[in-house]
Amino acid sequence: EVQLVESGGGLVQPGESLKLSCVASGFPFSSYSMNWVRQAPGKGLEWVSYISSGSSTIYYADSVEGRFTISRDNAKNSLYLQMNSLRAEDTAVYYCARDGGYSGYVYNSWGQGTLVTVSS
Amino acid sequence: DIQMTQSPSTLSASVGDRVTITCRASQSIRRWLAWYQQKPGKAPNLLIYESSSLESGVPSRFSGSGSGTEFTLTISSLQPDDSATYYCQQYDTTSPTFGRGTKVEIK
Repeated sequence: EVQLVESGGGLVQPGESLKLSCVASGFPFSSYSMNWVRQAPGKGLEWVSYISSGSSTIYYADSVEGRFTISRDNAKNSLYLQMNSLRAEDTAVYYCARDGGYSGYVYNSWGQGTLVTVSS
Repeated sequence: DIQMTQSPSTLSASVGDRVTITCRASQSIRRWLAWYQQKPGKAPNLLIYESSSLESGVPSRFSGSGSGTEFTLTISSLQPDDSATYYCQQYDTTSPTFGRGTKVEIK
C-alpha cells in the first residue's frame, strides 16, 4: 500500500523558516517524481513544487520561487520542502503528492497533509 | 499561468440525478486535464486523467470528456457518497493549475 506521511508543520512568525518532510513507503520511491501541493484554509488547491525522480529537474510556482527549496533523499525514501522568508499567505495545509506515472503532475497518491501557520 | 474556470461553484442535486461540472482553460491544454474529488478534512482523490481516462478503482458513474479549452466531469447517477468538492487541474505546462472547485451537495 502506498503511504505518504508529512511532518514538520507548525506555527511560525512571518520571515521565519520551516522544513517539511514526507516519508514514502509501499512503492519504489526513487522511480517517481514528487510534488508539493498546498491548500489555504477554506480555499482551493495550489501546486507548489515538482522534483523529478533523480532530482535533475525542479520547478516552483511563481509564488514561492526563490523562497522555497524542494529536495529528496532516495536512500531515505524522503521528500523535503525548505521554506524560508515565510509570509502570512503561505499559511496552508501542505500535501506531498506522488505522480501516478502519467505525466509528473497527475497525483494518485497524497499524504494526509501538514498544517503550516504563519502568524505573528 | 493557465487559468482554469469551473462552473458552477456549487450545485445541489438529488440521489440518482445526472450531474455535470464544466471546466474551461484560458488557453488550449489539449487533453491534459485531471479531475479530483475532495471531502472535508481529507486529501484529494484522483478520479480522471487525460480528460477521460478513469483512474483505477474509481466508480464507472464518473466520466470525463473534452479537449482544447472545454472539459466536463459527469456523474451519471449521483450517490450520497459523492457529496464533495471537485477540482479540475491542467497539466499541459510545468506550472499546473487547479480550478477553484465545485461543491456538490445532496438534496
